[in-house]
Amino acid sequence: ETGVTQTPRHLVMGMTNKKSLKCEQHLGHNAMYWYKQSAKKPLELMFVYSLEERVENNSVPSRFSPECPNSSHLFLHLHTLQPEDSALYLCASSQGTGLNQPQHFGDGTRLSIL
Amino acid sequence: GNSVTQMEGPVTLSEEAFLTINCTYTATGYPSLFWYVQYPGEGLQLLLKATKADDKGSNKGFEATYRKETTSFHLEKGSVQVSDSAVYFCALSALDTGRRALTFGSGTRLQVQP
Repeated sequence: ETGVTQTPRHLVMGMTNKKSLKCEQHLGHNAMYWYKQSAKKPLELMFVYSLEERVENNSVPSRFSPECPNSSHLFLHLHTLQPEDSALYLCASSQGTGLNQPQHFGDGTRLSIL
Repeated sequence: GNSVTQMEGPVTLSEEAFLTINCTYTATGYPSLFWYVQYPGEGLQLLLKATKADDKGSNKGFEATYRKETTSFHLEKGSVQVSDSAVYFCALSALDTGRRALTFGSGTRLQVQP
């Protein structure tokens, strides 16, 4: 198993659908992150979970709802998304949120909103 | 707030050429600095890091030196290969308005031609 696994790899959905993105890490880390990667823009940090508790929410619209049931799993629930939400969504994990701790990324879910 | 500025790409080089990708940063305190690489269709992978001034991070022939006096962390490689074609992200980890945050540059695409 690779370190951080994201499913699905690709998702196409209409604006009225509800779907969820899944992330699983096999590295024994205790912090997990959601990022949004749009074309020609820096990575945008969306949410941070440390020890299964949300510690950061960077002004993300409520149509994105994260869930962290345990330290190995992270979900991003999606509903009534907008076309501008089409992007690559990356999950990452780290051992703690210390400044020196690198983050390990999954391969992302490519989301397209019709 | 913290910020990272990278040279715009794409950078196009011939195989065995010398590579420099410039990165400068603005941060409060003493950040840790990272280079990540993203190959097509994949997530970000940590390439190297440096956690204090004058540290040199190195991996796979790539190097970068943490220069506090010039607030820079330029990425270099003496002889690039076609397999190095990817997008390279400079990032810093530092306290920002009281929260720990990883701030990314916008990425530089490297294309190496045979």
